[in-house]
Amino acid sequence: NAGVTQTPKFQVLKTGQSMTLQCAQDMNHNSMYWYRQDPGMGLRLIYYSASEGTTDKGEVPNGYNVSRLNKREFSLRLESAAPSQTSVYFCASSELTGGHTDTQYFGPGTRLTVL
Amino acid sequence: AQKITQTQPGMFVQEKEAVTLDCTYDTSDPSYGLFWYKQPSSGEMIFLIYQGSYDQQNATEGRYSLNFQKARKSANLVISASQLGDSAMYFCAMREGSGGSNYKLTFGKGTLLTVNP
Repeated sequence: NAGVTQTPKFQVLKTGQSMTLQCAQDMNHNSMYWYRQDPGMGLRLIYYSASEGTTDKGEVPNGYNVSRLNKREFSLRLESAAPSQTSVYFCASSELTGGHTDTQYFGPGTRLTVL
Repeated sequence: AQKITQTQPGMFVQEKEAVTLDCTYDTSDPSYGLFWYKQPSSGEMIFLIYQGSYDQQNATEGRYSLNFQKARKSANLVISASQLGDSAMYFCAMREGSGGSNYKLTFGKGTLLTVNP
């Protein structure tokens, strides 16, 4: 099992360019999440998908869009990148059965720099 | 007000000694879960341990244990017999709610642990 995979690992964009970050999980989890990590800020939720076919905004959704392509895949799109979106992006997944733990498992991250 | 507070930006410990990383939380929801993650310099987020608000006993996972004091709203991580490989950033996180609505993790700002040989 690969767990949660993300592509690319690194990306440099110019202001105004667009790109899509890809995420896939092979744990048959229902829910998937996108976070960003900035220095001194911890991780903040951008968007999440509680189940296939649904997506909802998190704490910092502005400037991003998401697509839950199927149960395995959840992509994050930056339509017009801005320097403020320079960050490390993490995808995560969890079972979300309403069960006791619903631990979120994270991918390796994508380090994005916007010039 | 911050929901998760980690007051120690950095901690040092000697190899083979125990260390406690502090975490306090703020919630009015009676159902919540507390998590600790480790982030080594390579950048990945590694799940360590979980404590539920209704759990009667403190969680343990190998060398990791969680000192859960509900009345004080604290969930400190204890690492016993520290190893050099424990040097990393450690994050405390909380999930509020239950029953399928529990989706969001709120993270603290982290504590950077350095284990000295």
